[in-house]
Amino acid sequence: DAKTTQPPSMDCAEGRAANLPCNHSTISGNEYVYWYRQIHSQGPQYIIHGLKNNETNEMASLIITEDRKSSTLILPHATLRDTAVYYCIAKDIYNQGGKLIFGQGTELSVKP
Amino acid sequence: DTGVSQDPRHKITKRGQNVTFRCDPISEHNRLYWYRQTLGQGPEFLTYFQNEAQLEKSRLLSDRFSAERPKGSFSTLEIQRTEQGDSAMYLCASSLALHEQFFGPGTRLTVL
Repeated sequence: DAKTTQPPSMDCAEGRAANLPCNHSTISGNEYVYWYRQIHSQGPQYIIHGLKNNETNEMASLIITEDRKSSTLILPHATLRDTAVYYCIAKDIYNQGGKLIFGQGTELSVKP
Repeated sequence: DTGVSQDPRHKITKRGQNVTFRCDPISEHNRLYWYRQTLGQGPEFLTYFQNEAQLEKSRLLSDRFSAERPKGSFSTLEIQRTEQGDSAMYLCASSLALHEQFFGPGTRLTVL
């Protein structure tokens, strides 16, 4: 699995967009980009995934650069409940089994 | 509530004792994963099952650890002769599709 690099922490004002960057410069063509988050004292929660195209669901948007070397997770209107550690994972699920390899993640603090 | 349950939620034991944790996945999910998380770190993969077959084990899973999924439904993770270094949150996840894993709330183990 390609290594991912994320800033250790970020702050965001409530109601504003939170943009969380992830660098995955060694990503291979078969590797998807996944985002999970973990609210304190809970298990991780799946947010979104993508391969090449930008993706959007009810939780967030995922923007992947054309060269696929980096991506950004966007929470359009952050709330206090979005305070969590956000993990970016690059994974070839078809050839490397289902396990997820988590890094340190970004600790997002949403402030009133 | 993701639909994945774990029992117990908390376990305190003395060094050298055996402990067993249970995970009940979402009923139709054929894949089940175990992860371990220590304070300030992301979850680390331990092992995973597809139905009742254990398909992959991490090097973290020493001889003192054993996992089973006898009928392809619930799973147990046993730690024999616990050590203080085993203190961690043990997370279970299940999946049906290849992409999204649903995590349980975890079992927090404290070894005194």
